[in-house]
Amino acid sequence: DAGVIQSPRHEVTEMGQEVTLRCKPISGHNSLFWYRQTMMRGLELLIYFNNNVPIDDSGMPEDRFSAKMPNASFSTLKIQPSEPRDSAVYFCASRGGGTVQNIQYFGAGTRLSVL
Amino acid sequence: QKEVEQDPGPLSVPEGAIVSLNCTYSNSAFQYFMWYRQYSRKGPELLMYTYSSGNKEDGRFTAQVDKSSKYISLFIRDSQPSDSATYLCAMSRPQGGSEKLVFGKGMKLTVNP
Repeated sequence: DAGVIQSPRHEVTEMGQEVTLRCKPISGHNSLFWYRQTMMRGLELLIYFNNNVPIDDSGMPEDRFSAKMPNASFSTLKIQPSEPRDSAVYFCASRGGGTVQNIQYFGAGTRLSVL
Repeated sequence: QKEVEQDPGPLSVPEGAIVSLNCTYSNSAFQYFMWYRQYSRKGPELLMYTYSSGNKEDGRFTAQVDKSSKYISLFIRDSQPSDSATYLCAMSRPQGGSEKLVFGKGMKLTVNP
């Protein structure tokens, strides 16, 4: 398996623009997680899906952030409008059903810079 | 008080040194304990996981859990330059019918040749 695939790897945009980050989870995994990582705050959970349904979005910082999972093999995280404070590395992770130990497998991340 | 506390370092050691990385936690509900390793500009990858108190060894790596003290450790023996990375502890607890994974902030380790 190719693992969790994220695109783009790098995104540079200007304040006010819409940003869409994409994730393809590991085939057969039924849970998907979006995280944001910064030096100050570390790795923060934004939202997670179970069987394509959003379960916990309490980590989404504000209404400018939205996430969708239209099917088991694809998810997007959208920021509209983007702001400089959104600059961070965004990770997607997936987990297989029945994984007792709650092991999550991470993608390589999208490094977002909002100017 | 944060649920999981981890000294962010950084930590710099010479090659061959024994490295000790630690995390403390406050919530007794944590059941599974993990260490993730993150190389620069990469995603975190699972290094070790354990459920019970005690030690678990895998090659040069030993994970230790002390539930009574709410303290976990990762030991690296004969450290190598290739071990240079950020190490994040992670702990899992039940939440709303699922499992919530909480991460430490990560400790950046540099092993100098």
